[in-house]
Amino acid sequence: DADVTQTPRNRITKTGKRIMLECSQTKGHDRMYWYRQDPGLGLRLIYYSFDVKDINKGEISDGYSVSRQAQAKFSLSLESAIPNQTALYFCATKDGERQPQHFGDGTRLSIL
Amino acid sequence: EDQVTQSPEALRLQEGESSSLNCSYTVSGLRGLFWYRQDPGKGPEFLFTLYSAGEEKEKERLKATLTKKESFLHITAPKPEDSATYLCAVVDSWGKLQFGAGTQVVVTP
Repeated sequence: DADVTQTPRNRITKTGKRIMLECSQTKGHDRMYWYRQDPGLGLRLIYYSFDVKDINKGEISDGYSVSRQAQAKFSLSLESAIPNQTALYFCATKDGERQPQHFGDGTRLSIL
Repeated sequence: EDQVTQSPEALRLQEGESSSLNCSYTVSGLRGLFWYRQDPGKGPEFLFTLYSAGEEKEKERLKATLTKKESFLHITAPKPEDSATYLCAVVDSWGKLQFGAGTQVVVTP
């Protein structure tokens, strides 16, 4: 089983719909992250959380919100989806300050 | 402004043809540089962490090196299974990971 699981893996939806992407982890890490990946732009940070009571905005948080339901679960929501939010979305976890981030296999989101 | 630039954008190699990928960065006070491998349809997979100039790490046919302004990922005698996109990321002034756009490597038999 994967250590970092993202659901769904693929989603096609329409402009204006509310969407939730989910991430769960079995690694026991406190730190969790949401990124989006666009061709030619690399991964960009949307939100991150250091524990259940700690939520922080990243570089591109506008149009997104998150919820840390438990140490192992971190969800990303698009309240009213727009076409330029079409992208690959990745969740990552991290154990400590000098440790690498570990990524899930992503959600491919298309907004028509 | 903190920036991470990877070159080339794409690299096509014959099996056995060694080459290097470059990651240049402008971050004051480097707090860590990471190399990841990403296969199509998958998330980035951690390869190496480098912290100080002169440091080197090796894994199979891959070797990562670090200077004060850039890092290189050397691929020695690559095989087709080394085909992937290689991502470089730097811990920026705010303690967050900043990624380059990646180098797509294709190794043909």
